[in-house]
Amino acid sequence: GIQVEQSPPDLILQEGANSTLRCNFSDSVNNLQWFHQNPWGQLINLFYIPSGTKQNGRLSATTVATERYSLLYISSSQTTDSGVYFCAVSDQGGSEKLVFGKGTKLTVNP
Amino acid sequence: NAGVTQTPKFRILKIGQSMTLQCAQDMNHNYMYWYRQDPGMGLKLIYYSVGAGITDKGEVPNGYNVSRSTTEDFPLRLELAAPSQTSVYFCASRENTGELFFGEGSRLTVL
Repeated sequence: GIQVEQSPPDLILQEGANSTLRCNFSDSVNNLQWFHQNPWGQLINLFYIPSGTKQNGRLSATTVATERYSLLYISSSQTTDSGVYFCAVSDQGGSEKLVFGKGTKLTVNP
Repeated sequence: NAGVTQTPKFRILKIGQSMTLQCAQDMNHNYMYWYRQDPGMGLKLIYYSVGAGITDKGEVPNGYNVSRSTTEDFPLRLELAAPSQTSVYFCASRENTGELFFGEGSRLTVL
């Protein structure tokens, strides 16, 4: 099945710093999403982005499907950005399974 | 619009007991999923369904069963609870193509 690797596994920032999180995948995808799991365990949709670029406030994401990676950018980070960021993909082979990476744990210090 | 609703939110089971985690969605989504998340780990797919009457195994199906008699409901059954099933369980749903929406999770402890 498709493999998903996220990097870095851990990231510590000072408030106001920018960061880039990466998601590599092993096969062509027809679905790619980024999620934020907050410290209370809730999973929140950030982007549905199988290709192209999207922006939502301080967050933006880019997926380069031909090179099999996606990037999540966080600008001017805030303490409320802390949590774990997950990338999830499903391949183009007809599978409806969405496979998750292991996540990037982000800590933003005041 | 409630989205994806899971019950119960918390449950403690004794080894060997059985229980059902309930999941309901009101978005008329065909696709529904059950994931488990162990402490400090990512999400592992247990079972999924592409429509009423159709279910399939995910990465970690052993010890679980599901059914999908209606579009709205996708219950997850644990038959003989084991300590290894202590986890947080998430139900999710989506349209044929598109975003996955999660419930708030059900925290299960097996003692």
